[in-house]
Amino acid sequence: SQTIHQWPATLVQPVGSPLSLECTVEGTSNPNLYWYRQAAGRGLQLLFYSVGIGQISSEVPQNLSASRPQDRQFILSSKKLLLSDSGFYLCAWKREFDNSPLHFGNGTRLTVT
Amino acid sequence: GEDVEQSLFLSVREGDSSVINCTYTDSSSTYLYWYKQEPGAGLQLLTYIFSNMDMKQDQRLTVLLNKKDKHLSLRIADTQTGDSAIYFCSQETSGSRLTFGEGTQLTVNP
Repeated sequence: SQTIHQWPATLVQPVGSPLSLECTVEGTSNPNLYWYRQAAGRGLQLLFYSVGIGQISSEVPQNLSASRPQDRQFILSSKKLLLSDSGFYLCAWKREFDNSPLHFGNGTRLTVT
Repeated sequence: GEDVEQSLFLSVREGDSSVINCTYTDSSSTYLYWYKQEPGAGLQLLTYIFSNMDMKQDQRLTVLLNKKDKHLSLRIADTQTGDSAIYFCSQETSGSRLTFGEGTQLTVNP
């Protein structure tokens, strides 16, 4: 069966510090991978998605970047965090070709102080 | 546009039925999904419906789809306190992306 791991679960970082959040998927190959942010409200904002190694699509201009160094690894990064980067970050995957649902990780709660 | 809209709050008594409504815009969506989010957790897929269906039943959950009006609903029968959570409606749009509504906070009162 497929599983998705996201870490860390919580993170408190000062303004201006770098960020690296990692997500890995097991039990499938060539998944589509996604990073969403859920801010203080409830809506989910799609930040990045990837359909293959090294292929990253950015949905909104921002202070963050994403990379996919391996087939089942997706990394969310920042060189210098802003206060506005605080939020709940969710990684998700779906099968490559099917009209199939997203499967989410447990999320990372990021607080920038 | 690729908007999904839902009411923000719903409060019911334990044992009653809950109905959460959603409207979507992309008529080409093949599947429509309902997700549940408990506090501090990720989103859990609850159920989904294929766009050529009108209704899907899964134990206490019933999904109704009105394609003409682009209206989707989730009915939870015999609502329990453990059903208290945020429920998200989602449609699949072009490029294998899913867009989500703002979520409906369901509160179940004893």
